[in-house]
Amino acid sequence: GEDVEQSLFLSVREGDSSVINCTYTDSSSTYLYWYKQEPGAGLQLLTYIFSNMDMKQDQRLTVLLNKKDKHLSLRIADTQTGDSAIYFCAESSSSNTGKLIFGQGTTLQVKP
Amino acid sequence: EPEVTQTPSHQVTQMGQEVILRCVPISNHLYFYWYRQILGQKVEFLVSFYNNEISEKSEIFDDQFSVERPDGSNFTLKIRSTKLEDSAMYFCASSEYPPANYGYTFGSGTRLTVV
Repeated sequence: GEDVEQSLFLSVREGDSSVINCTYTDSSSTYLYWYKQEPGAGLQLLTYIFSNMDMKQDQRLTVLLNKKDKHLSLRIADTQTGDSAIYFCAESSSSNTGKLIFGQGTTLQVKP
Repeated sequence: EPEVTQTPSHQVTQMGQEVILRCVPISNHLYFYWYRQILGQKVEFLVSFYNNEISEKSEIFDDQFSVERPDGSNFTLKIRSTKLEDSAMYFCASSEYPPANYGYTFGSGTRLTVV
């Protein structure tokens, strides 16, 4: 079945780059997403990538997609303390009803 | 920026009681969703809703669950007889188009605690 997996925790120093990784199983996914969740808040869409793309850059965020290995990564350049949050990878389901399959989230801790 | 609003932010209920979780999606959105996140676990899809009917539901969404769009603005999730394992954060989301290539807008969630 459809599944998305992420590592649970990442700690970096302020100013360093952060790389959060994700693997997924559904090769028919059309879109893959990164969401951010800050304490007490909802899920905020950070960026998404269409499955026929390899890379997408949006300011400090770079998304890399390796479709062959079903691997997605999110790189945050010049990580700031305000980037501390839980980051969720998600894929669109092949059912085309808008359903998303989420990973378990990676907690990013940014140390000053 | 338009928001999805969920109320209440936290609800405590006794096992066996009915609860209704409320959501006000973004006004021009046509597709509505409920997800839940049990503490420490993944965000799980519950149900998608379009044109006044369910378009997809998960195995979790059994007969104890129902959704309704009672008027033009609210979207509700009802749990008829709550169980301890229903304790979770429930997120409402809405989107203008499916699949959500522009991304959903999620609400801040309702934390449901069943005691």
